Amino acid sequence: NAGVTQTPKFQVLKTGQSMTLQCAQDMNHEYMSWYRQDPGMGLRLIHYSVGAGITDQGEVPNGYNVSRSTTEDFPLRLLSAAPSQTSVYFCASSPLGGNDNEQFFGPGTRLTVL
Amino acid sequence: DAKTTQPTSMDCAEGRAANLPCNHSTISGNEYVYWYRQIHSQGPQYIIHGLKNNETNEMASLIITEDRKSSTLILPHATLRDTAVYYCIVRGRGDYKLSFGAGTTVTVRA
Repeated sequence: NAGVTQTPKFQVLKTGQSMTLQCAQDMNHEYMSWYRQDPGMGLRLIHYSVGAGITDQGEVPNGYNVSRSTTEDFPLRLLSAAPSQTSVYFCASSPLGGNDNEQFFGPGTRLTVL
Repeated sequence: DAKTTQPTSMDCAEGRAANLPCNHSTISGNEYVYWYRQIHSQGPQYIIHGLKNNETNEMASLIITEDRKSSTLILPHATLRDTAVYYCIVRGRGDYKLSFGAGTTVTVRA
């Protein structure tokens, strides 16, 4: 299993540009989520999904869109990038149900908005 | 509101046990204590979790006080590769959202 994969690893955007951060997992996990991490801080939840066709907002959703058309993929879209969105973005996944809901994180995408 | 309180940083000697405290005085009966760590900007890595009993796995041990208001993560023989930020997270059953605080920066020194 590749686990959770994220592309690209690094990205530089200009203010106002749009882009999509890709996240995929091959563990058949129902739950997927996106976090951002600013320097020296903990991770903050942007959006999450409990299955294909179902998404919901987290703590800091403004400026980001998500969709979940398949179990495997959970892309994060920035429609009009702003310097405040400069951050490291992590995708995570886990199965639903039970007590052992370990979440698996991807390696991150480092985004700079100029 | 922060659900957990952790020290900002701590040092540990290589080969010794590292004891990481966490206070979660407002924890409710159906909430679990989870520990994750993040090594130098990598994605967070799950370590261990527990409800009220002490837990042990190949990475660490988790000691939860009887009143469940605090816990301690124990790395039995710290190595340089254990240098990381360690996050203590309280999470209810069926709630998959993780709330990360600032964590404890653990530096293992040779």
